[in-house]
Amino acid sequence: KAGVTQTPRYLIKTRGQQVTLSCSPISGHRSVSWYQQTPGQGLQFLFEYFSETQRNKGNFPGRFSGRQFSNSRSEMNVSTLELGDSALYLCASTRKLAGEAYNEQFFGPGTRLTVL
Amino acid sequence: SQQGEEDPQALSIQEGENATMNCSYKTSINNLQWYRQNSGRGLVHLILIRSNEREKHSGRLRVTLDTSKKSSSLLITASRAADTASYFCATDYSGNTPLVFGKGTRLSVIA
Repeated sequence: KAGVTQTPRYLIKTRGQQVTLSCSPISGHRSVSWYQQTPGQGLQFLFEYFSETQRNKGNFPGRFSGRQFSNSRSEMNVSTLELGDSALYLCASTRKLAGEAYNEQFFGPGTRLTVL
Repeated sequence: SQQGEEDPQALSIQEGENATMNCSYKTSINNLQWYRQNSGRGLVHLILIRSNEREKHSGRLRVTLDTSKKSSSLLITASRAADTASYFCATDYSGNTPLVFGKGTRLSVIA
């Protein structure tokens, strides 16, 4: 079974630009979560999508948005990039269903975003 | 913040020694999970322990959970250089809220 894939793996952007990151979950997983990882803040939850609906949202500004498609693939978008958005963005999929406790999450390799 | 806290932040040991990492959290949980991350890569799930369990083993890993103290520990026995990584605990507080990750313990195993 193929793992979680994320594209692109590396990205360099300048302040003010926007960026779209993509995540393909493991086949059969309908829940996709996004995280931002920085040395200072650690792993911060961005949002979770399940069956094309945002189910949970972290404490990030509206510049961060996402969506999920009918095939469970997900994208996240960051508009008006700031220097502080430089981070490793991780996507994770899980078999978790609504109301169930979280099982293990399967993480992709991440997208390293650098904002200059 | 509900974020868990790992302790220590960094740990350096010799190959063959045991490594112990601790995690504390703030409110009652459904389960607690441990993940490993090699430098700059995605996280890999190691083990999950439910709130009604006290100890769990997986290979060279041993996890304990003390719900009265709201803490967990991860023990890696007979460590190897390949165990060098960051280790994170993640808590599941309820079925409808996302996992909350701690800031991790950076383990270095010296050959």
